[in-house]
Parts: sequence; C-alpha cells; structure tokens
Amino acid sequence: GAVVSQHPSRVICKSGTSVKIECRSLDFQATTMFWYRQFPKQSLMLMATSNEGSKATYEQGVEKDKFLINHASLTLSTLTVTSAHPEDSSFYICSARDGRGRNTGELFFGEGSRLTVL
Amino acid sequence: SQQGEEDPQALSIQEGENATMNCSYKTSINNLQWYRQNSGRGLVHLILIRSNEREKHSGRLRVTLDTSKKSSSLLITASRAADTASYFCATDRYDYKLSFGAGTTVTVRA
Repeated sequence: GAVVSQHPSRVICKSGTSVKIECRSLDFQATTMFWYRQFPKQSLMLMATSNEGSKATYEQGVEKDKFLINHASLTLSTLTVTSAHPEDSSFYICSARDGRGRNTGELFFGEGSRLTVL
Repeated sequence: SQQGEEDPQALSIQEGENATMNCSYKTSINNLQWYRQNSGRGLVHLILIRSNEREKHSGRLRVTLDTSKKSSSLLITASRAADTASYFCATDRYDYKLSFGAGTTVTVRA
C-alpha cells in the first residue's frame, strides 16, 4: 500500500517557539492532505485540508495563523505550529489521498508527531 | 467534526474469542471506514464499506453497515494478542474529510 512519512515523530520545544512537522507521500502523488489532532485517549479531530498549490482550508475553531499549512508539492505538506504553548501539546497526524484517480476512498496516514511544549 | 459514536469504549477479551464493536453516525455518508491505532502510532486502514454495501469481509474482519439505522459493526474473529489496539470508525461524506468516532480500546489477553 501507499506510504506516508511524517517527521519528526517526537518533538519537545520551549513555549513561544515554532515547530514544523512534515508529511510526505513516498510513492504516490497526494493532491490533498489532511491534518488531524489527537488528544490522549481521544479521537482524531480534523484541523485542516491541505491542497497542493492553493491555500489550506481550516475547520471551524482552528486558528489558521496559529497552525500554518503549506502544500508546496504533490508529495509534501507541512504544518507549522507558531508560537507554541503548552496547550498545543498533542499528537498531530497527517493523511493523504492518492490523486492518481484510483479513488478507492482510502486515506493513508502518517505515523504521527507528538509535540510537547514546555 | 466528530460524528461517530462507538461502543463499547473498552473491551477486554481472551485470545481466541471474537470482538465486536459498534459505531453510529448522524448524517448521510459515502462510505464508512474502520482504522486501527496501536498506542502512540498512526492509523492503519482496515476496511472500507460503501453506502450501498451491507457487509464486507477481509480476513478475520467482518464489517456490516445499516444505513437505515446509521450504524456499523466491526467483528474481529479468533482474536490474537496482536489485535490489542484502539479501533476507530470514520465516515466520509463525499469529500474525504473523515469524521472519526471516539474509538474502542480492545485488549486481548493471552
């Protein structure tokens, strides 16, 4: 199956700094990628949809200036948590849709990135 | 937004037993998917069932979908210790934006 690589898997940063998380589709072109956030022992909440070559669309309640998303190529989307604070500590997961027309409905997920803000 | 509700929240079974978990949702869907998540890891796609399908099998997995009741079930037969994980249902409303249920944590005891 298709592989999505997410990096870094874990990151610890100081409050006020910015952190970038990368999501790469390794063997397919992903015209659309999705960013989710997961709190401990809870479900995944969709944050935003990342479209290659255009602005990301954010879900209600998600601050776009706080969570900057860039989808510069068909294989890479980045999420930057700006001026991170302890409440931003969470597990961030990306997923990607194979845009080559297979249209199976299946999404491929990265392994997630655990952010801890001190 | 989260639209799926799953029950039970947690399930503990003996190896070899079957595990059944249910998912309910609120709006019309294009398809419903089940995912597995091992602790601290990403999600693994298990099975997708389309809105015009009623039952689907994949190995030891059996999924049913009842669109009139807006519910789905996932059955894992002959469970193994490696099946210990959290299981999530997710609904797709034609735009690939998945809405995930709260998840069922399954523990398989050896």
